[in-house]
Amino acid sequence: EAGVTQSPTHLIKTRGQQATLRCSPISGHTSVYWYQQALGLGLQFLLWYDEGEERNRGNFPPRFSGRQFPNYSSELNVNALELEDSALYLCASSFWGGSYNEQFFGPGTRLTVL
Amino acid sequence: QQPVQSPQAVILREGEDAVINCSSSKALYSVHWYRQKHGEAPVFLMILLKGGEQKGHDKISASFNEKKQQSSLYLTASQLSYSGTYFCGTEMRTGNTPLVFGKGTRLSVIA
Repeated sequence: EAGVTQSPTHLIKTRGQQATLRCSPISGHTSVYWYQQALGLGLQFLLWYDEGEERNRGNFPPRFSGRQFPNYSSELNVNALELEDSALYLCASSFWGGSYNEQFFGPGTRLTVL
Repeated sequence: QQPVQSPQAVILREGEDAVINCSSSKALYSVHWYRQKHGEAPVFLMILLKGGEQKGHDKISASFNEKKQQSSLYLTASQLSYSGTYFCGTEMRTGNTPLVFGKGTRLSVIA
């Protein structure tokens, strides 16, 4: 069974540009979560989508946005990039609603803002 | 609210044991444990539900004390492959509250 996939693996942008990151969940999973992990830091919750709707968002500015498509894949958009947006962006998926809600992570997209 | 993990870092020799703790001030539905190796994504290890159910790795054990809202991850007879950063994630399952991760515990196993 295929795991969570993310693209691209690496992304280099300059300050002020926009970045788009993509995630495909494990088959059968309806929820997709986005996390930011800056160098040496923990996992900061960004966004949670389930069944096409945004369920929750973390303490990030509105220039971080996203969506979930009918096939449950998801896209994270970061507008007006700032240097401090440089980080590893992780996507995870789960089947929300069961007793167990274990999240499985993709390999991540490393975003570098110059 | 972010759970508190302790210790922040630990160094072990192969074969030694370690315990990593995760505490929350909120009533929890479940606690999740992950291990992240340098440059890689976090890998799911175990989930513990209130009421005693659990699911996860057969070589790693953990406990969940509902009265204290504290979970402990037990690493016995450590191997070099156990090195990495361990994160706990806590879930309240009230409304649309997401999993909240602790800051992590860095475990280094040396020969």
